[in-house]
Amino acid sequence: DSGVTQTPKHLITATGQRVTLRCSPRSGDLSVYWYQQSLDQGLQFLIQYYNGEERAKGNILERFSAQQFPDLHSELNLSSLELGDSALYFCASSGGLAGGAHQETQYFGPGTRLLVL
Amino acid sequence: KNEVEQSPQNLTAQEGEFITINCSYSVGISALHWLQQHPGGGIVSLFMLSSGKKKHGRLIATINIQEKHSSLHITASHPRDSAVYICAAGGSNYKLTFGKGTLLTVNP
Repeated sequence: DSGVTQTPKHLITATGQRVTLRCSPRSGDLSVYWYQQSLDQGLQFLIQYYNGEERAKGNILERFSAQQFPDLHSELNLSSLELGDSALYFCASSGGLAGGAHQETQYFGPGTRLLVL
Repeated sequence: KNEVEQSPQNLTAQEGEFITINCSYSVGISALHWLQQHPGGGIVSLFMLSSGKKKHGRLIATINIQEKHSSLHITASHPRDSAVYICAAGGSNYKLTFGKGTLLTVNP
């Protein structure tokens, strides 16, 4: 158990809909990362938050947005869903003190499996 | 061409064999990460290294910064080592760039 929790575990929805994925980091971790894993693209970095502020952005679509709240939990919002958005979405956290993903061990949550029909 | 290349894509071994998975990257990095993903989907960070060599149990990771190459070795492999192993390059832009992964199957 990494200490990172994600809800829900599974989500089935229809095209055009909007969903929210939730992540609670390990106790004390300030950084939260969101990743998308699809069969054809592999793991891709979406976005990172550090202590409530956006720190780095990756291949995140404009239809997707995220935020980190004062209690450090984070939410990833996916809107106008398309079939191609079906994937595993992982959240990870790290202490945040060393400066970023490239220098810190990350602890991954169990993921949310999203299926868009 | 992907910035992070792994080889082989698939690897089948017999229990007890010594295993090597390779990772080459074309970007400048601050650290190289090795991750393990089990069939259920969960991801575990195995190593983060920026130079030299690290060892944890039967797992050894090495990196050669000049050659932009890292290897993950598993000694005395066991069926429970069966998983996807992913390397990721951490650059100075706070982001991780991932390889496609190596699917390892260890048969008893």
